[in-house]
Amino acid sequence: GQQVMQIPQYQHVQEGEDFTTYCNSSTTLSNIQWYKQRPGGHPVFLIQLVKSGEVKKQKRLTFQFGEAKKNSSLHITATQTTDVGTYFCAGVYSNSGYALNFGKGTSLLVTP
Amino acid sequence: IAGITQAPTSQILAAGRRMTLRCTQDMRHNAMYWYRQDLGLGLRLIHYSNTAGTTGKGEVPDGYSVSRANTDDFPLTLASAVPSQTSVYFCASSRLLNTEAFFGQGTRLTVV
Repeated sequence: GQQVMQIPQYQHVQEGEDFTTYCNSSTTLSNIQWYKQRPGGHPVFLIQLVKSGEVKKQKRLTFQFGEAKKNSSLHITATQTTDVGTYFCAGVYSNSGYALNFGKGTSLLVTP
Repeated sequence: IAGITQAPTSQILAAGRRMTLRCTQDMRHNAMYWYRQDLGLGLRLIHYSNTAGTTGKGEVPDGYSVSRANTDDFPLTLASAVPSQTSVYFCASSRLLNTEAFFGQGTRLTVV
């Protein structure tokens, strides 16, 4: 079946360091969404990328969608303790009967 | 406040018992979903509904059933619970099938 692979599974950084998580699909995505889940919480939508090569920024977060629409990344500049949580990508396939194929997530720990 | 509500928040259930997890949204969203979240496995889609009156199977539908009698409600039923169904269950909704999803607070279910 169609799957979105996400790496790394865990990342531990010092506050102020940068962080990147990557998602890859073997087949072309229609679009990709990113979600953040705080410990003990529920996933919260961050952004959706639709166009090939698209780059979007939200303050210290930069989201990219690959030219071939098979990969995506989320980069956080100068992490803060408030960035702690698990970041999920969720891919949408145009030929799928349903949306949001979630990657397994990257758990980010930020120590002060 | 508009949103999506799940009940109960948590439940301990004896194996073999029947259980219905409730989900209600007041955003008039067309699409609704049920996910289960297990450590290391991320979010896996159980069932979804494109619109009231229609449902579809996700990645892990066995042992679960859903109904969508109206726009607002999307209950998930475990006909005969087994320990492997111990998990955190999230209901979500979106305006359309592949748009921004809003998640409920989750139901933590333990089957013993």
